[in-house]
Amino acid sequence: QSVLTQPPSASGTPGQRVTISCSGSSSNIGSNTVNWYQQLPGTAPKLLIYHNNQRPSGVPDRFSGSTSGTSASLAISGLQSEEEADYYCAAWDDSLNGYVFGTGTKVTVL
Amino acid sequence: QVQLQESGPGLVKPSETLSLACTVSGGSISTYYWSWIRQPPGKGLEWIGYVYDTHSGSTNYNPSLKSRVTISVDTSTNQFSLKLSSVTAADTAVYYCARGAHRHFYYGMDVWGQGTTVTVSS
Repeated sequence: QSVLTQPPSASGTPGQRVTISCSGSSSNIGSNTVNWYQQLPGTAPKLLIYHNNQRPSGVPDRFSGSTSGTSASLAISGLQSEEEADYYCAAWDDSLNGYVFGTGTKVTVL
Repeated sequence: QVQLQESGPGLVKPSETLSLACTVSGGSISTYYWSWIRQPPGKGLEWIGYVYDTHSGSTNYNPSLKSRVTISVDTSTNQFSLKLSSVTAADTAVYYCARGAHRHFYYGMDVWGQGTTVTVSS
């Protein structure tokens, strides 16, 4: 059972803004940075956001990340149909001394 | 551009040892944190562990798997490998290898292999 909790699903119409939450604790999000990964159907995960709010080269600025205390959020503005995927938050956990992934959120474009 | 490719048997018998390799091409295997991650069918991602320091082969494992996992690196072949002992059906998953640049993944895992499916069954 993951120590990072995400809503199982989120949805929006094309062009809408969708936000995904990631709830953790003081030993992970509260003391380490958060990364977000996008997993399109049948493919390997792809790094979407690192160090809380940084985008790797090639990731559109429609994707943004933020943190507050022991929670993090990923926002997708201007949602596109090809962004229908599973999204995972992740962070190092000092208590477990390991990297933990969130439970994952399936984003559906209506 | 660095690419990763997993390889190994797709079927392993219960109680045996799962062995996979990840070949790193287009870049050096030195100075990075090389991880294995798995994803059971229809479920989420689980970090298995990483190997770092190609000289000493330092490692860090998921506590829940630590007793059964060995990750090692072979600089002569630019590969790192995963061994998971005493497997059961619960170890059936897609196994990914990935690269990280920081021991706590502050920069995330930026390069991933395509994944390889391993089924544990007699």
